Amino acid sequence: AQTVTQSQPEMSVQEAETVTLSCTYDTSESDYYLFWYKQPPSRQMILVIRQEAYKQQNATENRFSVNFQKAAKSFSLKISDSQLGDAAMYFCAYRRSGGAQKLVFGQGTRLTINP
Amino acid sequence: DVKVTQSSRYLVKRTGEKVFLECVQDMDHENMFWYRQDPGLGLRLIYFSYDVKMKEKGDIPEGYSVSREKKERFSLILESASTNQTSMYLCASSAMGSPLHFGNGTRLTVT
Repeated sequence: AQTVTQSQPEMSVQEAETVTLSCTYDTSESDYYLFWYKQPPSRQMILVIRQEAYKQQNATENRFSVNFQKAAKSFSLKISDSQLGDAAMYFCAYRRSGGAQKLVFGQGTRLTINP
Repeated sequence: DVKVTQSSRYLVKRTGEKVFLECVQDMDHENMFWYRQDPGLGLRLIYFSYDVKMKEKGDIPEGYSVSREKKERFSLILESASTNQTSMYLCASSAMGSPLHFGNGTRLTVT
C-alpha cells in the first residue's frame, strides 16, 4: 500500500522568509501524481500545487515550488516570501495514475508565520 | 467554480444514535469521497464512490456505511455512533483524472 509521511508536525517562519516543508512517500508504481493541499482555519482544502511523476521539471505556482526527487521518493514544498495568509495546515498527498482516483494523505504540517 | 456542500458544519450526537452526513456536488463529478481528519493522522479515506450505486471501502470503513442514489449526492452513515467517531469529516468530489474538490467539513462530536 502507498504511504505518505510528513515528518514535521509544526514549522514556523518569519514573514517574507522562505520555508520548506518535507514529504516522503512510498510506492511501487512508476506513474503517479503528487499534491500539496493547504487547509486554513476556514477548513477549506485548497490545492496549492500538483506534480506528475513522469515530468522531471519541478512544478511552480507563483511563490510555491516543489523539489521532486523521484528516486528518493521525496516531494518537498518551498514557500518563498512567506505571507501571513500562508499560515495553515499543509498536507502532502499521493494518487496513482489511472484506476481509483483516491488520494493518500500525509499527517500534515502546521505552518505558523511570525510577523 | 466547483461547489461541494456538506449539510452541517457542526454536529453533536449521542452514543448509539444513527447519524447521516450529507454531501452534494454541483459539477456532475463521477467520483465522490468521504475522509476523516484527526490531528497527527492527516486525512484517512473511509469510503469512495465512482458511480451511482457504486461504492468501495477505503482504509477505515469499520462503523460506517455510505449511500449514493443520485450522482450529485453521497451520504455517510454512522449506524450506531460511538465516541471514537468524534472527528472532522470531509467530503470531496472529482472528475476522472482531475484534482479533488473538498467541502468545508463537518465537525462531529459524539457524547
